[in-house]
Amino acid sequence: DQQVKQNSPSLSVQEGRISILNCDYTNSMFDYFLWYKKYPAEGPTFLISISSIKDKNEDGRFTVFLNKSAKHLSLHIVPSQPGDSAVYFCAASFNAGNNRKLIWGLGTSLAVNP
Amino acid sequence: DTGVSQDPRHKITKRGQNVTFRCDPISEHNRLYWYRQTLGQGPEFLTYFQNEAQLEKSRLLSDRFSAERPKGSFSTLEIQRTEQGDSAMYLCASSFQRGGYEQFFGPGTRLTVL
Repeated sequence: DQQVKQNSPSLSVQEGRISILNCDYTNSMFDYFLWYKKYPAEGPTFLISISSIKDKNEDGRFTVFLNKSAKHLSLHIVPSQPGDSAVYFCAASFNAGNNRKLIWGLGTSLAVNP
Repeated sequence: DTGVSQDPRHKITKRGQNVTFRCDPISEHNRLYWYRQTLGQGPEFLTYFQNEAQLEKSRLLSDRFSAERPKGSFSTLEIQRTEQGDSAMYLCASSFQRGGYEQFFGPGTRLTVL
């Protein structure tokens, strides 16, 4: 049972345009959401996060939007650059006793074409 | 470089051999996580340390896997009697309990079992 779903395995965007990556979740216990970027043969790199008490967080070209009622979040990259080409993972966090757990989506592979 | 480091970056071994990986977290981080990732999947949680205490171990982790963090700093993950199904990227992450909920990942160790 996939609690964090990234329904688009891949996305292709032209350089300079907006990239929108989507993520849906099912567990109401999640109270913090994170986006990670991963290049081949490297570990995930933290990109941006949002608390469940907010609906938007912006950091430079990256903005994350959270719609709690729809249990949906999205990552917007504007403008997209070829160096943004990577796999993007959505992760949801909740407090599990002694542990702060992260539940991961399967990732969306973004290709930004020059 | 003050990020999470892992050693080795790549390991090729024959089935049945034992392997050990090392992770050095960010120095002020007291939480340390081990994950495993295969192609097309998000990171899969293996185990978690808070300081030197191993507080959680995934039910998916067989008895052939053991992890230690003897002084609450670096950690080792050992796999005994490796099997071909153990081939994966092994990721280490760290976080600071009183910080945000972000986990910061190392570059990973790519294990290939022949």
